[in-house]
Amino acid sequence: DVKVTQSSRYLVKRTGEKVFLECVQDMDHENMFWYRQDPGLGLRLIYFSYDVKMKEKGDIPEGYSVSREKKERFSLILESASTNQTSMYLCASRTSYEQYFGPGTRLTVT
Amino acid sequence: GESVGLHLPTLSVQEGDNSIINCAYSNSASDYFIWYKQESGKGPQFIIDIRSNMDKRQGQRVTVLLNKTVKHLSLQIAATQPGDSAVYFCAEIENAGNMLTFGGGTRLMVKP
Repeated sequence: DVKVTQSSRYLVKRTGEKVFLECVQDMDHENMFWYRQDPGLGLRLIYFSYDVKMKEKGDIPEGYSVSREKKERFSLILESASTNQTSMYLCASRTSYEQYFGPGTRLTVT
Repeated sequence: GESVGLHLPTLSVQEGDNSIINCAYSNSASDYFIWYKQESGKGPQFIIDIRSNMDKRQGQRVTVLLNKTVKHLSLQIAATQPGDSAVYFCAEIENAGNMLTFGGGTRLMVKP
């Protein structure tokens, strides 16, 4: 079974804090993704990576950065959290086609 | 953009009945399709997939039908159970180098 894990299920941070969201997959997938999911807006792609140390901007990269130092791990960084970054964050990994999601991190920024 | 959570179409079925959830896709060149199930507060769960060279694929209690002529995908759940209550959405992809495009989702509510 493919397993994608995320470091936290729930996180509460203050405005201006630096936030790290970690994602690990155990299937040796090249491609990994970070999305955020908001009611009425669906899944929006923040960043993706198709190889170690490679990263590409998705549709809404502003306010975020990512790091992929190892193939199995893809981190999302909020340099200075803001209240409009309160959301459900979903990591995913993929073979050529089959894409699997992690359990999600519900981030609240106060 | 797609809508999830707010103003989703809702399908309400009685426990034990069969459910059919529909998805219209937009790209006639899409080659591969996935159905996901998302329970409240959780990440989307991969249910079943189908390639464009097939028109039907069966899993455990689920069947996906693909009609390329009208660009329509459906998910059939047999003997629906309360644990099937969730939002279901489809995703399509043209080829391995592209991003998935997600459908808007349907909320399935199972009445005991």
